[in-house]
Amino acid sequence: GAVVSQHPSRVICKSGTSVKIECRSLDFQATTMFWYRQFPKQSLMLMATSNEGSKATYEQGVEKDKFLINHASLTLSTLTVTSAHPEDSSFYICSASNHRDNTNYRPLHFGNGTRLTVT
Amino acid sequence: QQQVKQSPQSLIVQKGGISIINCAYENTAFDYFPWYQQFPGKGPALLIAIRPDVSEKKEGRFTISFNKSAKQFSLHIMDSQPGDSATYFCAASNQGGSEKLVFGKGTKLTVNP
Repeated sequence: GAVVSQHPSRVICKSGTSVKIECRSLDFQATTMFWYRQFPKQSLMLMATSNEGSKATYEQGVEKDKFLINHASLTLSTLTVTSAHPEDSSFYICSASNHRDNTNYRPLHFGNGTRLTVT
Repeated sequence: QQQVKQSPQSLIVQKGGISIINCAYENTAFDYFPWYQQFPGKGPALLIAIRPDVSEKKEGRFTISFNKSAKQFSLHIMDSQPGDSATYFCAASNQGGSEKLVFGKGTKLTVNP
């Protein structure tokens, strides 16, 4: 259980175009999903918190107009990188927890990431 | 300000040996401390996690030791295997708050056959 699916796994786009990445919780519902960015050989940096039915909360330094997040349902959040540039090339990973999990803590489960290359 | 400090940055262990990775945190509001394992090109996978009300948790070959007073926790991998070669991240969050995970910088573990 607790599978988080991300699509696509890899995407190459031209500079100036937009790219949408989907994050789905396959066997549970998630009121909150998190989007991370990871550069090669570095740690995961939280970009934003995606809240179902409301606006996302962005971390300091993350441009909300560039990284559009939509969390339209309890099982789907999307990240759209608008007007992508080569410096946006990175590994984007989403995560989610099961909001129906009533244990003492709710583990975060991660998708397998999306490798974005902007040429 | 780095809220979770992880060491070492890289670790080489012989097969059958013990791998030890250490983390320290600053925020006393953290109440959940997971460890994640990440293989190249994949997302992190939850390995084991602990709450501060216990000092140790063991699952198979993996053990977390937790020292609340020192604000430190560590991952021990017993009988390390080549298949354990991966990058390991410690993390922390305040589950009573935003649930946002703060990650350490990672440790690249190599287990030689």
